This record gives sequence, structure tokens and C-alpha cells, in this order.
Amino acid sequence: GAVVSQHPSWVICKSGTSVKIECRSLDFQATTMFWYRQFPKQSLMLMATSNEGSKATYEQGVEKDKFLINHASLTLSTLTVTSAHPEDSSFYICSLGEGGLSVNTEAFFGQGTRLTVV
Amino acid sequence: KQEVTQIPAALSVPEGENLVLNCSFTDSAIYNLQWFRQDPGKGLTSLLLIQSSQREQTSGRLNASLDKSSGRSTLYIAASQPGDSATYLCAVTGGGNKLTFGTGTQLKVEL
Repeated sequence: GAVVSQHPSWVICKSGTSVKIECRSLDFQATTMFWYRQFPKQSLMLMATSNEGSKATYEQGVEKDKFLINHASLTLSTLTVTSAHPEDSSFYICSLGEGGLSVNTEAFFGQGTRLTVV
Repeated sequence: KQEVTQIPAALSVPEGENLVLNCSFTDSAIYNLQWFRQDPGKGLTSLLLIQSSQREQTSGRLNASLDKSSGRSTLYIAASQPGDSATYLCAVTGGGNKLTFGTGTQLKVEL
């Protein structure tokens, strides 16, 4: 199966600073990647679809200016949480989308990033 | 909009018991359904994938069924062990490999 590497696995930052999370597809060329967020004791919610070479598509209620997504190559998507606040503390996880993967294959996820804003 | 619900939200059973976790979804136009395991503070481990044309899949002590027309899936765990304690998530795949996750079932298997 595909290998997805997400970095960092955890980060603590001060309120008002920005944090960048990387998601790398090690053996598939991904034209799309998905970013999910999970608050404590809740399920994963899709935040946005990262599209290689074009703008990301954000789900309703997700601020595009706060969660900047860059998908500059077929193997790397980054999520930057800008001016982070304590309410942004959450578990962020990416997965591969199309491009080398059929819709009938299992989803492949990164290891996730635990963000804590203090 | 697809909605996925899991029942029960939490479950505690003694070791050795067989158990069933339930998942229901509102839109039957899915490519597949997947069951995942999530340990506290960790990522997702894929357990089983059922294609939309399939009725069930088995892996070891796990058996998952899918009734696409009624929007239901079950995950059967045989002879449960303390190591099975985790949160179990089901997710359905729609267009573009986009997943919609269920609310999860938190399982605790006690000695």
C-alpha cells in the first residue's frame, strides 16, 4: 500500500504564531490530498481538499485564510495554521486522494499531527 | 450530504465476548466502506475495506458486512481481547476518494 509521511507528529506553539504541517506521499503521485481535523472525543471532519498546482477546496465553515494549503508537487501538501489560537488545538491528519489510486482502494493516512496552542 | 452514524457510542465488554459494532449511512451512492481503528492520540489503522459490490470481508477475528441498499454495515469482533480496546471508526468513500467518517464507537475490553 501507499505510504504517507506526516510531520511533525506533535507540536506546541504559542498563541499568535503559525505552524506548518507537511504531508508527503512516498510512493504515489497524488493529485489530491485530504486534510482532516479531529477535536477531542469527536470524529474526523474533512477540512479541505488539496489540489496539486491549483487552489485548495475548503469545506463549509473552514477559514481558507487561516488554514493555508499548498500542494506544489505531486508528493507534498502542506497545511499552515496561521495566527494559531488555543481553539485550533486539535489532531490534524492527511490522506491521499486520487492520482495513482483507484477509488476502490483503501484510504492511506499520515500518522497525524497533534497541535497544542498555548 | 452524507451522514454516518455509529451505534453504540461506547461499549464495555469482558474479555472473550463476541461483539457487534454498527454503522449506518444516509446516501447509498458509495464506492466502498472502511473500518478503522484509532488508539488514543494516534492515527488510523485500516482494518477492513468492503467494496460497494461486496457483502462482507473477513480478516482474522474481524468480519465486516455491508448492506448498501439499507445503508448499514456491521463489524463483528470474535473472542475479544484487551488489546482490542480502541475507538472504531467506519467511513464511506464518495467521489474523489473523499471519506465521510462516522462518530466512532469507543470499545473497552476488560480482563
